[in-house]
Amino acid sequence: AQSVTQLGSHVSVSEGALVLLRCNYSSSVPPYLFWYVQYPNQGLQLLLKYTSAATLVKGINGFEAEFKKSETSFHLTKPSAHMSDAAEYFCAVSTGGYNKLIFGAGTRLAVHP
Amino acid sequence: ETGVTQTPRHLVMGMTNKKSLKCEQHLGHNAMYWYKQSAKKPLELMFVYNFKEQTENNSVPSRFSPECPNSSHLFLHLHTLQPEDSALYLCASSSIIAGGPGNEQFFGPGTRLTVL
Repeated sequence: AQSVTQLGSHVSVSEGALVLLRCNYSSSVPPYLFWYVQYPNQGLQLLLKYTSAATLVKGINGFEAEFKKSETSFHLTKPSAHMSDAAEYFCAVSTGGYNKLIFGAGTRLAVHP
Repeated sequence: ETGVTQTPRHLVMGMTNKKSLKCEQHLGHNAMYWYKQSAKKPLELMFVYNFKEQTENNSVPSRFSPECPNSSHLFLHLHTLQPEDSALYLCASSSIIAGGPGNEQFFGPGTRLTVL
């Protein structure tokens, strides 16, 4: 069975600081991995996805993530946080049919001036 | 309209009411999904439809009744709900390619449901 664990339900950073949101997955087959962002009272928006083409994936808004098979991780990073990055971030894995996604519990990112 | 739209955006209903949530996707996708998002719980997949056929029902109570008349529209009919059903209900769509997963899901803005 596939699963996703996001370490840290809340992360707080200063504006301009590095953002690091952690995601570990469990899968018996090569996974497809996704990061989504959710702003208040909105749906989920895709930040980036890993589909085995390259281990370092660049997404929107300056975010990127690196797939590390040996560590079963897919951590999300951004070199310099902006106030507008404050939101909830979800990591998800897909290995089954119908593009089904298994989501982590989410990490709420706060950015302080 | 573009992307995935959901109506209404907010809904308040009593436990004896019957209401429906509507989702429409304008992306030409062939799969649609209903999710429930509650406070303090991970996103829960409720139903999956592929070309109008229900392919998954994750033990959802019968007071939630989905309907998919075509590949662009998805409804969630609600009746005799409980206060614990209050949540954000999200609809999503995706393009399924034969041979495996890999395509992302596109989400609507959600319907915030409050059951009194």
